[in-house]
Amino acid sequence: EPEVTQTPSHQVTQMGQEVILRCVPISNHLYFYWYRQILGQKVEFLVSFYNNEISEKSEIFDDQFSVERPDGSNFTLKIRSTKLEDSAMYFCASKLAENQETQYFGPGTRLLVL
Amino acid sequence: AQTVTQSQPEMSVQEAETVTLSCTYDTSESDYYLFWYKQPPSRQMILVIRQEAYKQQNATENRFSVNFQKAAKSFSLKISDSQLGDAAMYFCAYRTDEYGNKLVFGAGTILRVKS
Repeated sequence: EPEVTQTPSHQVTQMGQEVILRCVPISNHLYFYWYRQILGQKVEFLVSFYNNEISEKSEIFDDQFSVERPDGSNFTLKIRSTKLEDSAMYFCASKLAENQETQYFGPGTRLLVL
Repeated sequence: AQTVTQSQPEMSVQEAETVTLSCTYDTSESDYYLFWYKQPPSRQMILVIRQEAYKQQNATENRFSVNFQKAAKSFSLKISDSQLGDAAMYFCAYRTDEYGNKLVFGAGTILRVKS
């Protein structure tokens, strides 16, 4: 069964450093998402992406964040200058089409900012 | 804006027994989807069950079923014949009908299964 994959599974970085989190959505999916879960808290929407552009972003997704689909398979989330409060689990999700209801999640990347 | 509320931070159930997890939501939309996701200690998000708001029939998936009350904006998850592997955090989620179709999650309920 096709799966969403994410790399790395864990990343430790110093405050102020740039990080890139990578996701490979399910191959024929067209809608892509990033969500964040700070330890012990609910899962929060960050951004949705379709047709090579952001379709919606949350208040969390400020100028320090960007997303890109550099080729036909990868979907990346970049944090330009990490802050301590960026420490969280980051989930990528994808779905096939606008009228398909289910988003399939990757296993997550655990980011720790020191 | 849509909101999802899970009022039970933690629940316990004896193995083989039945447990119900509560979820309520607030929306002005008439067409939407509701989901329950399971998050085991590995923290991966696993889809348990989904419900289309326009369907009156409650969704079922093996030991998992929902009680969807659209007028009351309630969407509870019933787990029958609970197993040790059901122990996890369970999130209720609402899918908006807005462009992009983001998911809005509740705070989660930790389910503990006692042997």
